[in-house]
Amino acid sequence: DAGITQSPRHKVTETGTPVTLRCHQTENHRYMYWYRQDPGHGLRLIHYSYGVKDTDKGEVSDGYSVSRSKTEDFLLTLESATSSQTSVYFCAISYSAIYNEQFFGPGTRLTVL
Amino acid sequence: RKEVEQDPGPFNVPEGATVAFNCTYSNSASQSFFWYRQDCRKEPKLLMSVYSSGNEDGRFTAQLNRASQYISLLIRDSKLSDSATYLCVVTATGNQFYFGTGTSLTVIP
Repeated sequence: DAGITQSPRHKVTETGTPVTLRCHQTENHRYMYWYRQDPGHGLRLIHYSYGVKDTDKGEVSDGYSVSRSKTEDFLLTLESATSSQTSVYFCAISYSAIYNEQFFGPGTRLTVL
Repeated sequence: RKEVEQDPGPFNVPEGATVAFNCTYSNSASQSFFWYRQDCRKEPKLLMSVYSSGNEDGRFTAQLNRASQYISLLIRDSKLSDSATYLCVVTATGNQFYFGTGTSLTVIP
């Protein structure tokens, strides 16, 4: 299995609080992605990174920000959590953007009350 | 229109049956194609890549039809352990992977 970890694995928080999720990889892959998965919607891209300090928005980026200061770490921040951000968050990595498969972390289950 | 569309199922089949899933994609410039498997409350895991000439891995066969813009997955001799959700994935220019919503398969004893 690819070396990807996510922390925390579960989190319950209150509306309005900031939350940061961490993705850590040991594969030295250039591309890293954050997705959320909700029933009926499948996996939706929030943000992705194509290198250190290089990030771009995905389909559902409103309310989220990201940072990548090292190759191995990609952080997702919910600036002020809302109940609509209750979801399962997956981090993924890939060697290239188009031709290589993605490998996923184990996911973070976030509940915003 | 969604980039990738799949029949959500569920597909309920007996052990030993053959089952096929299709997935259509909208972007004719799509580059790469994959099938992933996702077990309940787990992360998606790569099942197989899909090549233009079609490819087989044991009981699993994947096909690509660029003219009609669909990919397929055939599972022969279904096992109980094949019960999962199967996601098709398509890539195109723009650094993004596009996921279908998944097809649910339950293999019944």
